[in-house]
Amino acid sequence: EPEVTQTPSHQVTQMGQEVILRCVPISNHLYFYWYRQILGQKVEFLVSFYNNEISEKSEIFDDQFSVERPDGSNFTLKIRSTKLEDSAMYFCAIGLDYNEQFFGPGTRLTVL
Amino acid sequence: QKEVEQNSGPLSVPEGAIASLNCTYSDRGSQSFFWYRQYSGKSPELIMFIYSNGDKEDGRFTAQLNKASQYVSLLIRDSQPSDSATYLCAVNTGNQFYFGTGTSLTVIP
Repeated sequence: EPEVTQTPSHQVTQMGQEVILRCVPISNHLYFYWYRQILGQKVEFLVSFYNNEISEKSEIFDDQFSVERPDGSNFTLKIRSTKLEDSAMYFCAIGLDYNEQFFGPGTRLTVL
Repeated sequence: QKEVEQNSGPLSVPEGAIASLNCTYSDRGSQSFFWYRQYSGKSPELIMFIYSNGDKEDGRFTAQLNKASQYVSLLIRDSQPSDSATYLCAVNTGNQFYFGTGTSLTVIP
């Protein structure tokens, strides 16, 4: 099973601030995904990324969100101006195949 | 609205029994179906996926898909206390992934 780490494990920020969440796959993968899970709620798809571009995004993934692979390995999710309702666990997932998604440990984002 | 529905449980089974978890989905265009396990405070772990009608077996786990009924299930044979977790059903529809709220399973020693 592929390994993926996420940093930071916990991020606390003030409303309106920008945050960058990072995903570091240990091995080379083609597919990257971001999900979020608000406490006690379902996992929600945000975006999928393939071949260095977004392949699909959900309604949640509005203009305040962006993703990139700045150095060809790390995969980042940027939230430009955080809101209270952005508080959630954010999971990165990776896969060699579109159907095989291996989740990272997550970053807990707390917006105050 | 694309929905994935699961009975939230809790579902309790004795050790060694078969646990049966069910999931229905609303979009007939859904292409592939996934079962994840999520321990409290942890990230989802992929158990298996299925995209053809019928059964797919992997060790103690069997996924069953019935596209006509828009129904997917997971059977866990010889349930162990370590199987106690929340089981998430997910569906790939239009290249987006939709998760259910999960079913909490407790395996009683």
